[in-house]
Amino acid sequence: SQQGEEDPQALSIQEGENATMNCSYKTSINNLQWYRQNSGRGLVHLILIRSNEREKHSGRLRVTLDTSKKSSSLLITASRAADTASYFCATDRTGFQKLVFGTGTRLLVSP
Amino acid sequence: DAGVIQSPRHEVTEMGQEVTLRCKPISGHNSLFWYRQTMMRGLELLIYFNNNVPIDDSGMPEDRFSAKMPNASFSTLKIQPSEPRDSAVYFCASSFSWTGGPSSNQPQHFGDGTRLSIL
Repeated sequence: SQQGEEDPQALSIQEGENATMNCSYKTSINNLQWYRQNSGRGLVHLILIRSNEREKHSGRLRVTLDTSKKSSSLLITASRAADTASYFCATDRTGFQKLVFGTGTRLLVSP
Repeated sequence: DAGVIQSPRHEVTEMGQEVTLRCKPISGHNSLFWYRQTMMRGLELLIYFNNNVPIDDSGMPEDRFSAKMPNASFSTLKIQPSEPRDSAVYFCASSFSWTGGPSSNQPQHFGDGTRLSIL
């Protein structure tokens, strides 16, 4: 069963705009990770945020985590056509040593 | 550096046939994961190994599925006999854990998958 649910399921924006994707999960976690998947390729790790962190940045990526609401958001600033991909959150339930992936958000960035 | 290598990239076979998927993890990684991705069920963990030992196979659908890791640089996922509902993209991923045990607080590195079609 999937632990995380991403919202929206699909997002279409223009180059230069910001893209925000949300992830909600059900149980307490140790950390939350975001991955990107280009069409026909494997997942690529983007960023990891631990349960005691609230915000993390990596280049044009900004991730927030609210453990009280069991939710996280991924913000991509100044998007590019190359950012077109599916984005997944993955969580590890406290006490379990494996990741559970969400349903994903399909992002389309048009030139 | 070479990433996770999976073979074959595509496999089309008839139901009832044996299918073997192969994975070479990143050198030095001590955890290996097999996932299955479908539109209906998303990305599901089938089994993972740590230091070549299977740790959790609770995601393996049924006895038709088996996985082995004979050494640190090679793993196989076998389906025998295959059925049309096994059609999916199968991913292998690897990671490194400092603690020496399976850890979910490290990034996983994915191969590009095997697209399996069972007719």
